[in-house]
Amino acid sequence: RKEVEQDPGPFNVPEGATVAFNCTYSNSASQSFFWYRQDCRKEPKLLMSVYSSGNEDGRFTAQLNRASQYISLLIRDSKLSDSATYLCVGLSGGSYIPTFGRGTSLIVHP
Amino acid sequence: SAVISQKPSRDICQRGTSLTIQCQVDSQVTMMFWYRQQPGQSLTLIATANQGSEATYESGFVIDKFPISRPNLTFSTLTVSNMSPEDSSIYLCSVGDSHEPQHFGDGTRLSIL
Repeated sequence: RKEVEQDPGPFNVPEGATVAFNCTYSNSASQSFFWYRQDCRKEPKLLMSVYSSGNEDGRFTAQLNRASQYISLLIRDSKLSDSATYLCVGLSGGSYIPTFGRGTSLIVHP
Repeated sequence: SAVISQKPSRDICQRGTSLTIQCQVDSQVTMMFWYRQQPGQSLTLIATANQGSEATYESGFVIDKFPISRPNLTFSTLTVSNMSPEDSSIYLCSVGDSHEPQHFGDGTRLSIL
């Protein structure tokens, strides 16, 4: 079983919609979590870090639920430019090597 | 965050040949990594490039196939040796540190004919 699991989607939503992705992790030693965005045939780029207290950056909100071992990403007022693959990433304490989820594909249509 | 430059950005190669990918960082970094991402898949770590010593390879990857150099704290190379069509992939270098997110170079898109 993969340590970080995501629904690959695709999630097909209209512009302006609110969409949420969940990601579950199996390694309870994971301490740091991140969401990356990857456009087609481009490198992953850090979108935001995820904290237990929640983290909001404009239209994007990330949450960590340690009890249930999942991370969420909420995108409000979706834009066409939000279309991409969103990668969930976990990092264990003291480790330099993160575990990447397979990614969730988002398609925002007019 | 560090600026990471990879080259070449893409290449088309004949099977049986080898290609060396370069990764240059604009500042000294402790940890450098090489990943592979095959179409429709997530990132797979090939190895950790260690400065001044042999790279640490992940299960399924060996030095003979993917030799890595790390001569200093700002530069690393990955060679894909004796290439076959199965090696067609995006190869990415990244830098990172404990508890910190990794940052990636813009990748090398490799196609093997």
